[in-house]
Amino acid sequence: GAGVSQSPRYKVTKRGQDVALRCDPISGHVSLYWYRQALGQGPEFLTYFNYEAQQDKSGLPNDRFSAERPEGSISTLTIQRTEQRDSAMYRCASSLGTGLSGTEAFFGQGTRLTVV
Amino acid sequence: DAKTTQPNSMESNEEEPVHLPCNHSTISGTDYIHWYRQLPSQGPEYVIHGLTSNVNNRMASLAIAEDRKSSTLILHRATLRDAAVYYCILRGRDDKIIFGKGTRLHILP
Repeated sequence: GAGVSQSPRYKVTKRGQDVALRCDPISGHVSLYWYRQALGQGPEFLTYFNYEAQQDKSGLPNDRFSAERPEGSISTLTIQRTEQRDSAMYRCASSLGTGLSGTEAFFGQGTRLTVV
Repeated sequence: DAKTTQPNSMESNEEEPVHLPCNHSTISGTDYIHWYRQLPSQGPEYVIHGLTSNVNNRMASLAIAEDRKSSTLILHRATLRDAAVYYCILRGRDDKIIFGKGTRLHILP
């Protein structure tokens, strides 16, 4: 695709439900990043992948959060047993990567998650 | 993760140059200096990056100190549309992109 695509754009879920957020990176991009952004704050790093390998998941807040990228393209961020504090904008980015730290990252429009 | 320090906010008049500073005294030899900005209600967007030499592109210029411990993003002629949060980020071999608090730039008409 032309850019990074995230779906859904908006998700309202009840507390305790599981949600899956999808990210479709730019074709051919090796690196894929997930961020969470609260209102008025900067993006908070969650995890990232090179190809299908999860390189760093140190930013995942707790074990209710997980991410996968099984075929090295589309990625899913899953939040189990959602809580109200999980409400935020979730952003995905991709870059040509890996070891090419001089390349730019492209961000998707984000998924606005609201837990009620 | 290598850290950067930026002022919380800055103001500039429209159509004047803006110099946004960033300190990164713990930068390593392989870290690239990246700048991103985030306009209101938008996702972050890439502005510019450099390693050692000063860089220019259609959006901005990046001036890197000789010792690489600081850099300055230069917007040559600010417009109201440049009002955003600007993030200075060090990106190393691990490819991680970690955002700090950034500088909120206000443009006065």
